[in-house]
Amino acid sequence: GQQLNQSPQSMFIQEGEDVSMNCTSSSIFNTWLWYKQDPGEGPVLLIALYKAGELTSNGRLTAQFGITRKDSFLNISASIPSDVGIYFCAGRNYGGSQGNLIFGKGTKLSVKP
Amino acid sequence: DAGVIQSPRHEVTEMGQEVTLRCKPISGHNSLFWYRQTMMRGLELLIYFNNNVPIDDSGMPEDRFSAKMPNASFSTLKIQPSEPRDSAVYFCASTLAGGIGGELFFGEGSRLTVL
Repeated sequence: GQQLNQSPQSMFIQEGEDVSMNCTSSSIFNTWLWYKQDPGEGPVLLIALYKAGELTSNGRLTAQFGITRKDSFLNISASIPSDVGIYFCAGRNYGGSQGNLIFGKGTKLSVKP
Repeated sequence: DAGVIQSPRHEVTEMGQEVTLRCKPISGHNSLFWYRQTMMRGLELLIYFNNNVPIDDSGMPEDRFSAKMPNASFSTLKIQPSEPRDSAVYFCASTLAGGIGGELFFGEGSRLTVL
């Protein structure tokens, strides 16, 4: 089936550093979503993107919908220990229903105080 | 407001036993999704419902898996008989179909271990 390529798989960073992760697809998406999953919890929506080129911020988080509609990135500035978790991208096909939401495999972020 | 509520949070059972996972979606949401999460395969969509009607069950692994949504506020995912390879975290999620973006709201998951 269709897949998103999310990278990197894992990151080990020092508190205060900036973080960048991205997702790419061979297909065009009309929606990109970024979720964070804390240990033992369900994914929680961080940012939603609906237009090519859109750049959206949520506190220290910034995400962009790639102009080609085939990629998206998430940046975290000045990381703190509570940023630890797994970050997932998710994309929806052009014209697809909610059932066509495809998830990446996740980026596991570890932050060293 | 209450989020998506799942039960049980943890279940340990023996191979061959029946397992029933339960989900209460967010009030007012009309689409409900069941996902399975494993280290190897990540988040996989099993089935989703719109207005209590199953729309796409192509992700259900095999006939041992079944899901029902008897009303707008309750859904079950049943595995009978269970096998060790079914061990995973099962998530329920809901959304308002037709809403902008249709962002999914996830429950906290049910961690299943089949011995």
